[in-house]
Amino acid sequence: GAVVSQHPSRVICKSGTSVKIECRSLDFQATTMFWYRQFPKKSLMLMATSNEGSKATYEQGVEKDKFLINHASLTLSTLTVTSAHPEDSSFYICSARGTLGALDTQYFGPGTRLTVL
Amino acid sequence: ILNVEQSPQSLHVQEGDSTNFTCSFPSSNFYALHWYRWETAKSPEALFVMTLNGDEKKKGRISATLNTKEGYSYLYIKGSQPEDSATYLCARSKGGTSYDKVIFGPGTSLSVIP
Repeated sequence: GAVVSQHPSRVICKSGTSVKIECRSLDFQATTMFWYRQFPKKSLMLMATSNEGSKATYEQGVEKDKFLINHASLTLSTLTVTSAHPEDSSFYICSARGTLGALDTQYFGPGTRLTVL
Repeated sequence: ILNVEQSPQSLHVQEGDSTNFTCSFPSSNFYALHWYRWETAKSPEALFVMTLNGDEKKKGRISATLNTKEGYSYLYIKGSQPEDSATYLCARSKGGTSYDKVIFGPGTSLSVIP
């Protein structure tokens, strides 16, 4: 149980184009999903928290118009990188709130490697 | 400590050895501590989430302890196997729930040599 998928796993695009990344909870409903970005040799950095049916909450320093997040259903959240530039190249990974024992934790997808040329 | 720190950054052990690594975190505004195992090309796997000072959790050969007063957690692996090779991440929740406002450490990369 608690499987999260992410698609695509890898994408290469030209500068100026937009890229959509999907995050799905496969065997559970996720009212809350999270989007992270990982720079080389760095920790996972939280970008935003998305709640089903409402606007995402962005962390300080993350441009909401650049990184559009939509959580339209209890099993799907999408991250769209708009007008991508080479500095947006990174590893993006999503997670979904789920239960581990008596407490809630986050279950992660496998991530998406974005390369902007 | 302002951020979540992990040590060592990496280590190599022989198959059968037991090992442990440390996660240090700010003890103020603490709510929960998470451990994940992240194998290459896979999703990070949730191992433990702990909230109480003195908590100990165990999953097979892996166990973890928590000291919220001094701000550290230890992860122990008994009798390491090659399949234990992965990056181990710890993360701290500070947002009043166990799953929210999670700050990750940089990870400890473990290689188990057959």
